[in-house]
Amino acid sequence: QSALTQPPSASGSPGQSVTISCTGTSSDVGGYNFVSWYQQHPGKAPKLLIYEVNKRPSGVPDRFSGSKSGNTASLTVSGLQAEDEADYYCGSYAGSNNFYVFGLGTKVTV
Amino acid sequence: QITLKESGPTLVKPTQTLTLTCTFSGFSLTSSGVGVGCIRQPPAKALEWLALIYWDDDKRYSPSLKSRLTITKDTSKNQVVFTMTNMDPVDTARYHCATLKDGYITFDFWGQGALVTVSS
Repeated sequence: QSALTQPPSASGSPGQSVTISCTGTSSDVGGYNFVSWYQQHPGKAPKLLIYEVNKRPSGVPDRFSGSKSGNTASLTVSGLQAEDEADYYCGSYAGSNNFYVFGLGTKVTV
Repeated sequence: QITLKESGPTLVKPTQTLTLTCTFSGFSLTSSGVGVGCIRQPPAKALEWLALIYWDDDKRYSPSLKSRLTITKDTSKNQVVFTMTNMDPVDTARYHCATLKDGYITFDFWGQGALVTVSS
């Protein structure tokens, strides 16, 4: 099972928006609506931002939104703030045998 | 409040077996739909899912590492135990446990992780 493809880096100015892509296959991202996004600050554990493509857990600002088209999922961060500077990972269910696969990660610079 | 904490050796020699314990609170691994997974992250690299155990003792393993992995639970102690055999320097990583969100396929609460170095 190969890792999902993400751009290594993305950037934006405060107040702007940035969109990160996550490309898989029909066996993972494209086959199920079980895509999640995680935010990780340096030295910290990952934090769940988005699950099931576009759902936000309680407490996650609505500046974070998710979508999916075919084998590619996307995370958009609107109204960028300094604290959004972090690494972002996508993850997807990959079927009963492979179960779960993460993306390679994207470093967002504000 | 859900918390998870990983414990185990910080240094393992090549060919040895790693045993990590994940001690959790705030939920029960006897409740339907609940699961605990193990995810690792080598220094400055990406996350990699390794294993998962469900409340009903159903287990899933990364296909590429399946032959080396075992995950078990002790519900009386609120613990999950993860073992990886035949450790190699490339297995040097921070190992996290995380809860599988009830009824969903996503990891919603994470432990801080345990840094394991494989070196002779």
